[in-house]
Amino acid sequence: NAGVTQTPKFRILKIGQSMTLQCTQDMNHNYMYWYRQDPGMGLKLIYYSVGAGITDKGEVPNGYNVSRSTTEDFPLRLELAAPSQTSVYFCASRVAGGHETQYFGPGTRLLVL
Amino acid sequence: AQSVTQLDSQVPVFEEAPVELRCNYSSSVSVYLFWYVQYPNQGLQLLLKYLSGSTLVKGINGFEAEFNKSQTSFHLRKPSVHISDTAEYFCAVSAYYQGAQKLVFGQGTRLTINP
Repeated sequence: NAGVTQTPKFRILKIGQSMTLQCTQDMNHNYMYWYRQDPGMGLKLIYYSVGAGITDKGEVPNGYNVSRSTTEDFPLRLELAAPSQTSVYFCASRVAGGHETQYFGPGTRLLVL
Repeated sequence: AQSVTQLDSQVPVFEEAPVELRCNYSSSVSVYLFWYVQYPNQGLQLLLKYLSGSTLVKGINGFEAEFNKSQTSFHLRKPSVHISDTAEYFCAVSAYYQGAQKLVFGQGTRLTINP
């Protein structure tokens, strides 16, 4: 099992550009999450999904969109990149039910200039 | 609302010394607590978790944590650290948000091991 994979590892965007951060898991997990990590701030939840076709906003969804057409994939879309979106983005997944462990991908470092 | 506070942003220690990383939480309901570790340029991985039962929880790499309900704490400890323990450590509480489970993270503690 590869676990949770994310691409790209690093990207520089210009203000106003758009991009999609890819996340794939091969563990057949129902739940998937997108977090952003800013220095000294811990991780903040952007969006989450409890299954294919079902997504919902987290704490900091503004400027982002998601879709979940398959169990495996959960891409995060930035439509109009802004400097405030400079961050490290982590995708995570877990099985449904209870308070199970979340498994994290290696992250995507994004710089918006 | 549930929240987590990690009391130290940075903790420097010498190799083979003991270490304690402090975590306090606030919650009005049943508590489920986690410690994750992030090595440089990597994602987060689970160190240990408390869901129920014994308040002393043992995790990977010799780490352990004690759940203290009266003090609302979940401090992480290791009796003797190694250079390889240099990483950032995150305490988190599991909470239900709009019907789905999510993790609420503390700000993180950067552990630096000096030879």
